[in-house]
Amino acid sequence: QLQLQESGPGRVWPSETLHLTCSVSGGSFSSSYYWGWVRQAPGEGLEWLGSIHYAGYTYYNPSLKGRVSISMDPSKNQFSLQLTSVTAADTAVYYCARPETDGNGYLFGYFDPWGRGTLVVVSS
Amino acid sequence: EIVLTQSPGTLSVSPGERATLSCRASQSISSTYLAWYQQGPGQAPRLLIHGSSSRATGVPDRFTGRGSGTDFTLNINGLEPEDSAVYYCQHYGDSRWTFGQGTKVEVK
Repeated sequence: QLQLQESGPGRVWPSETLHLTCSVSGGSFSSSYYWGWVRQAPGEGLEWLGSIHYAGYTYYNPSLKGRVSISMDPSKNQFSLQLTSVTAADTAVYYCARPETDGNGYLFGYFDPWGRGTLVVVSS
Repeated sequence: EIVLTQSPGTLSVSPGERATLSCRASQSISSTYLAWYQQGPGQAPRLLIHGSSSRATGVPDRFTGRGSGTDFTLNINGLEPEDSAVYYCQHYGDSRWTFGQGTKVEVK
């Protein structure tokens, strides 16, 4: 059963870059076509940040105004999130998740499975 | 840009009762790309329904999704205390993923 696990610093200084990694286990990284990141600010709802296709194509939430980038390292069964110029508004639980597809890579769009999430606090 | 509006914001129900949660899209969407999630306190979201009406693996048949066009509904029959959670609808389209703001269900 595919499992995802987020890792990274729990605190980031304002104006710095947030960097998180999602490690995939229990299945073949290369057999999944897409990977993605979602976050949830304290007491708030879910916000899609971005997704990456196995061929390297990336898709980002326009509301983040170019601050977000996603990359992957299939050799390590990992994909990563970078968020630049962070502020207190970026304090959130960050989840990695897999957008589901059919066997040919046709996106169904729903996220399954999800990681447990990791809290990142932006504070000095 | 598709906006998903969920209602009500909070729903308080007694055990055994039925809950009806609404998700309205700002424009017509394909039901193929509408999903529902359950998020318990301190937990990651859990997929309940995809394709508007298909239950995910292991989801009890008390959870039923339906809808088309702009109006989608999640019904939960025979509510149990462990169903207390926030429920989100989600859409995918044009390389963008969007979530509704959530409905909190309190079973007590």
